[in-house]
Amino acid sequence: GDSVTQMEGPVTLSEEAFLTINCTYTATGYPSLFWYVQYPGEGLQLLLKATKADDKGSNKGFEATYRKETTSFHLEKGSVQVSDSAVYFCALIIMYSSASKIIFGSGTRLSIRP
Amino acid sequence: EPEVTQTPSHQVTQMGQEVILRCVPISNHLYFYWYRQILGQKVEFLVSFYNNEISEKSEIFDDQFSVERPDGSNFTLKIRSTKLEDSAMYFCASSDEEANVLTFGAGSRLTVL
Repeated sequence: GDSVTQMEGPVTLSEEAFLTINCTYTATGYPSLFWYVQYPGEGLQLLLKATKADDKGSNKGFEATYRKETTSFHLEKGSVQVSDSAVYFCALIIMYSSASKIIFGSGTRLSIRP
Repeated sequence: EPEVTQTPSHQVTQMGQEVILRCVPISNHLYFYWYRQILGQKVEFLVSFYNNEISEKSEIFDDQFSVERPDGSNFTLKIRSTKLEDSAMYFCASSDEEANVLTFGAGSRLTVL
C-alpha cells in the first residue's frame, strides 16, 4: 500500500549547520508530496509542497524536490536556526473521487543548538 | 489568513465517558477530516467527510467514533465510551474543492484516565 518513510530522529545540529531529512515514498500513481512542521505545543503547519515530478517546493529557506526516479522528497536547508527546532513530517496525498487522504511519515524531531 | 479552529484545546475525561471534540473548518472548504496522533507516534488518518457523509474511514474509526456537521459550520468528532488508548492529540483538517492541500487545526489533546 501507499506509505511514507522518513529518517529516524532525533536530529541535533548546531545553528547554521546544513540540514537534510530524508523521505521516500511508495504510492500507486503520482501523489502530491508535502512537508508539514509541528512546533512545540502547536498543530501541523504546511511547510512546502510539490505536485509533480521535478517540482521543487520551498518556504522559509527549506527546499525539497520531487524525485520520481528515486521516489524521494528530501527536505534541506542550508543554514538552520534555533527557531527551526520542531518535528517535521513528510506526507503524500491520495486523491479519491469524493475526498483525499494524507499519509504521514513517522516524523523527525529536529533540535538546533545555539 | 483563514484557519481551522478546534475546541477544547485539552480535555481530561474518565474512561467510559463520552467526549465531543469540535472543529470549525475554513468557511468555503468542502472536505473535512479527523486525524489523531498518539504521543510521540505517527499522525494517523481517522475519517474524511464530504457532502454530509463519511467518504473514507480507517480501521481505527470503529463504532465508538462518529462524526457530524450539525449546523453547517461545526464539524464534530464524538467518542461514545472512551478508552485509555484513545488518549491522543486529535487534529481536524479541511480542504477546498480541489482537495489537494489540507489545512490543519491546532489540535485537541484528549487525556483519558
